Amino acid sequence: NAGVMQNPRHLVRRRGQEARLRCSPMKGHSHVYWYRQLPEEGLKFMVYLQKENIIDESGMPKERFSAEFPKEGPSILRIQQVVRGDSAAYFCASSPRSKQETQYFGPGTRLLVL
Amino acid sequence: GESVGLHLPTLSVQEGDNSIINCAYSNSASDYFIWYKQESGKGPQFIIDIRSNMDKRQGQRVTVLLNKTVKHLSLQIAATQPGDSAVYFCAEKLLGNQFYFGTGTSLTVIP
Repeated sequence: NAGVMQNPRHLVRRRGQEARLRCSPMKGHSHVYWYRQLPEEGLKFMVYLQKENIIDESGMPKERFSAEFPKEGPSILRIQQVVRGDSAAYFCASSPRSKQETQYFGPGTRLLVL
Repeated sequence: GESVGLHLPTLSVQEGDNSIINCAYSNSASDYFIWYKQESGKGPQFIIDIRSNMDKRQGQRVTVLLNKTVKHLSLQIAATQPGDSAVYFCAEKLLGNQFYFGTGTSLTVIP
């Protein structure tokens, strides 16, 4: 079984550009979570999605950040007009409907904003 | 060796010794906790979980203890091995499926 897949693993953007981070959950998982991790810090919850629905986006910045999980295809975390403070590791996790509490994490995308 | 969560974020132990990593959680209403291991450059890996109706849970070489009175969680690793070197996070389940992660403790195993 393939685990949670994230791509790209590393992403470099200049200030003002857009960043798109993709997450393919584990097979059979219908719940996706996005977290942000700054160096030497814990993970900070951003958003929780099910297919075609945003369930909880209380951790998402109000501007420039958006997330989706379409019926087909991966979940996308989109950051518009990136700033240096957006540089971080972004992790996606997925869980099955039957055991929503157990989240399996992907390898992360390391975003560097120049 | 023993660490106390945020106040001592690093822990070094000799190979073969037991490790104890501590975590203080914030919300007395939290009813589910997970310990994760994160190796450099990788995503967090599930180690063991425990519900608030339990005080102790054992896995392979790992034991989690929960003290709800003082809102304290610990992870014990028996016979620590070099492959155990990583950052360990405790996570508490808040509202819905949102988890709050602690800052983490960096464990270094000395061969």
